[in-house]
Amino acid sequence: NAGVTQTPKFQVLKTGQSMTLQCAQDMNHEYMSWYRQDPGMGLRLIHYSVGAGITDQGEVPNGYNVSRSTTEDFPLRLLSAAPSQTSVYFCASSSRALHNEKLFFGSGTQLSVL
Amino acid sequence: AQSVTQLGSHVSVSEGALVLLRCNYSSSVPPYLFWYVQYPNQGLQLLLKYTTGATLVKGINGFEAEFKKSETSFHLTKPSAHMSDAAEYFCAVSDRNNDMRFGAGTRLTVKP
Repeated sequence: NAGVTQTPKFQVLKTGQSMTLQCAQDMNHEYMSWYRQDPGMGLRLIHYSVGAGITDQGEVPNGYNVSRSTTEDFPLRLLSAAPSQTSVYFCASSSRALHNEKLFFGSGTQLSVL
Repeated sequence: AQSVTQLGSHVSVSEGALVLLRCNYSSSVPPYLFWYVQYPNQGLQLLLKYTTGATLVKGINGFEAEFKKSETSFHLTKPSAHMSDAAEYFCAVSDRNNDMRFGAGTRLTVKP
């Protein structure tokens, strides 16, 4: 019973490098999202998806891209990493419309950009 | 867009004492409100949620919260703190547009 799986758990990048944070869920959830967690700021929504082929921007989308080609996977891409993107990233999923269902969270990816 | 304010970034209580974590929200539509807990090096877990109906909501581990529309509040309480309650707690609000916003979090410390 894997739930929401994020990889990698830790990553160190140099400024300007690109990378993809992976997120997969095995619960057949329609809704998936990415958050970043920074001290004193809580979790801020980056992007979300309500189903395969559909994505939308959240509160802090700049510098990040997403795609949703399958129900299971929702990767987050950093095209040119910046120190301001140093953060802990969480992927989450939900079975239906978000307002009526709880989110299931992955264990997070700690990203440092030097 | 909706928003959440959590009053107090750190709360410290003695074991056995009342826990009160404060949350106020802003929303242009009837809100859906949540409390999540995060233990060290883990993702968030749902404690409880309010969608419609009874305004006093009971959750896991003895926590409960009351939705007060007139005060735009959704404070989290537990009558008697346990050492295992030490964690960070997040209040969240969701609207009908699949956009959930979290507060900055409150770190709860429980002293023996």
